[in-house]
Amino acid sequence: SQKIEQNSEALNIQEGKTATLTCNYTNYSPAYLQWYRQDPGRGPVFLLLIRENEKEKRKERLKVTFDTTLKQSLFHITASQPADSATYLCALDPVYNQGGKLIFGQGTELSVKP
Amino acid sequence: DAGVTQSPTHLIKTRGQQVTLRCSPKSGHDTVSWYQQALGQGPQFIFQYYEEEERQRGNFPDRFSGHQFPNYSSELNVNALLLGDSALYLCASSPDGVSNYGYTFGSGTRLTVV
Repeated sequence: SQKIEQNSEALNIQEGKTATLTCNYTNYSPAYLQWYRQDPGRGPVFLLLIRENEKEKRKERLKVTFDTTLKQSLFHITASQPADSATYLCALDPVYNQGGKLIFGQGTELSVKP
Repeated sequence: DAGVTQSPTHLIKTRGQQVTLRCSPKSGHDTVSWYQQALGQGPQFIFQYYEEEERQRGNFPDRFSGHQFPNYSSELNVNALLLGDSALYLCASSPDGVSNYGYTFGSGTRLTVV
């Protein structure tokens, strides 16, 4: 069956460290993968999109990798800050490159302690 | 520039009733998608509207219906409410096709069915 899975346990790290979040998928061949941040009671906020022909993408302190062989994306936040505490969601489009519905993982809650 | 606007922000309905949720997309966006998010889960795709037509639909019963107006705003209607319909309902807008800027989500409507 098709699945998209993220670390189910909350991730607790110390300020200044690098947070690494994992997104694994099975039985999909997505053309791209997206990462979102969601704060409690708010809608998701788009962070990064990475396409299948891109191995890595960066934006300020954020870095995303996409390994279509391993069927995995890693999301890194370097020099983490307490303000980075939130739930992070990965999402893919199950119909190749259509820009239609997104399938979301269940999210990983990140807590950055000062 | 306003992003995605959803109304109402909170709603309490009785089992068996009907509800209408509203969404105004971000300026310049013509595609609207609706998602249901249960507590602790990732958003689940309900359907997407483009050019006033339902273009894609997720695994939701016919009790869930929608509409898109010529100004691209959209409504989500749910009939015969069940307790299990209690969730955060999110509206997301985007330009048509795959966007490097992902989807813009509203803050959602929190629906409680009692």
